[in-house]
Amino acid sequence: QKEVEQDPGPLSVPEGAIVSLNCTYSNSAFQYFMWYRQYSRKGPELLMYTYSSGNKEDGRFTAQVDKSSKYISLFIRDSQPSDSATYLCAMKDTGKLIFGQGTTLQVKP
Amino acid sequence: GAVVSQHPSWVICKSGTSVKIECRSLDFQATTMFWYRQFPKQSLMLMATSNEGSKATYEQGVEKDKFLINHASLTLSTLTVTSAHPEDSSFYICSARWTGGNSPLHFGNGTRLTVT
Repeated sequence: QKEVEQDPGPLSVPEGAIVSLNCTYSNSAFQYFMWYRQYSRKGPELLMYTYSSGNKEDGRFTAQVDKSSKYISLFIRDSQPSDSATYLCAMKDTGKLIFGQGTTLQVKP
Repeated sequence: GAVVSQHPSWVICKSGTSVKIECRSLDFQATTMFWYRQFPKQSLMLMATSNEGSKATYEQGVEKDKFLINHASLTLSTLTVTSAHPEDSSFYICSARWTGGNSPLHFGNGTRLTVT
């Protein structure tokens, strides 16, 4: 079993839709949770960074962490074609960063 | 915000030659940088942790004599792929932390290496 599981998709939605991206994990020691966006042939770009459980909002993006269920989510409101990319979850305790496989999102105009 | 610059963005080389990739932290000092490798439609795989002024720490299965890492200053780490082979063709990405040990990583834009 992988430490971090993420559905690779692809996920296709119409413009304006609410997108929900998710990851599950097995290591209860993880405390720091991140979401990265990666466009094709580019490096990952940090979108959200959260510590412990709860919600964090930044513009159209909301990150949610449920440590009791070992489940994290990224919500994108009013999705735009420019949001089309691969979204990677990542998490760590005190050791190295562990990445999910990434979910490919396509937002159709 | 933290900016990590990587150069070159792409390179094509012949089998048997060596290629050097540079990673710079532009507006902060990074005592630790990380080198990742990414195959198409796969996640990032950590290759090694680069420590300023000391030897790099390599992940299991990564050949340290093939992937030479030098971190000579607080703003520059280099990865040299020695005696490259076609199977080394991949997307190599470096990253660094802006501040403390648990702050998030910021990534460079990656280097696409093609070995012919």
